[in-house]
Amino acid sequence: GNSVTQMEGPVTLSEEAFLTINCTYTATGYPSLFWYVQYPGEGLQLLLKATKADDKGSNKGFEATYRKETTSFHLEKGSVQVSDSAVYFCAFFALDSNYQLIWGAGTKLIIKP
Amino acid sequence: GAVVSQHPSRVICKSGTSVKIECRSLDFQATTMFWYRQFPKQSLMLMATSNEGSKATYEQGVEKDKFLINHASLTLSTLTVTSAHPEDSSFYICSASLTSGSTDTQYFGPGTRLTVL
Repeated sequence: GNSVTQMEGPVTLSEEAFLTINCTYTATGYPSLFWYVQYPGEGLQLLLKATKADDKGSNKGFEATYRKETTSFHLEKGSVQVSDSAVYFCAFFALDSNYQLIWGAGTKLIIKP
Repeated sequence: GAVVSQHPSRVICKSGTSVKIECRSLDFQATTMFWYRQFPKQSLMLMATSNEGSKATYEQGVEKDKFLINHASLTLSTLTVTSAHPEDSSFYICSASLTSGSTDTQYFGPGTRLTVL
């Protein structure tokens, strides 16, 4: 079946550290992949997306590359800031299930000054 | 572009009353909207898929008579929590699907915090 596995949180880092949040997926076909972010007290926002294999999505210093061979879409940032503290969700549309959005459980990121 | 609004952002009601939450796509037409519920410290749970002009499709375990969904136009979907009880207190989020080429992207509303006393 369709599923997304994200690394468990919380992930706690110091400011300016390098960030990686792992995401692997199981899907039929090759769906578009997304990272969403939820800042404290706010709704979800689309952070970045990639629509086909080897595509790299990027936004606000975050990057993720669509790896078909490893079915992964890891989120990275070279130097995190306190304002990056949020919950990050990896997701994709299930091609065989009426485009239902399949979510990871979310990874809480805490950045300490 | 691609902005989705929800109204109200926060509502407090008495047990037994009904609450209506609106979800609007402000600058695009969305044939499909989705309603989610977020429990504390948990990921989103899809409640239903709402298609303009047709009945919503509810996920297993979601009571369709309790959570009434109406998608009257390409820019508006409403969720009505009928006879609300304290256990319905939650954060409700809608999203609207925008198709660009062969890619569908969901844009989320800011959410509605429902508190049932």
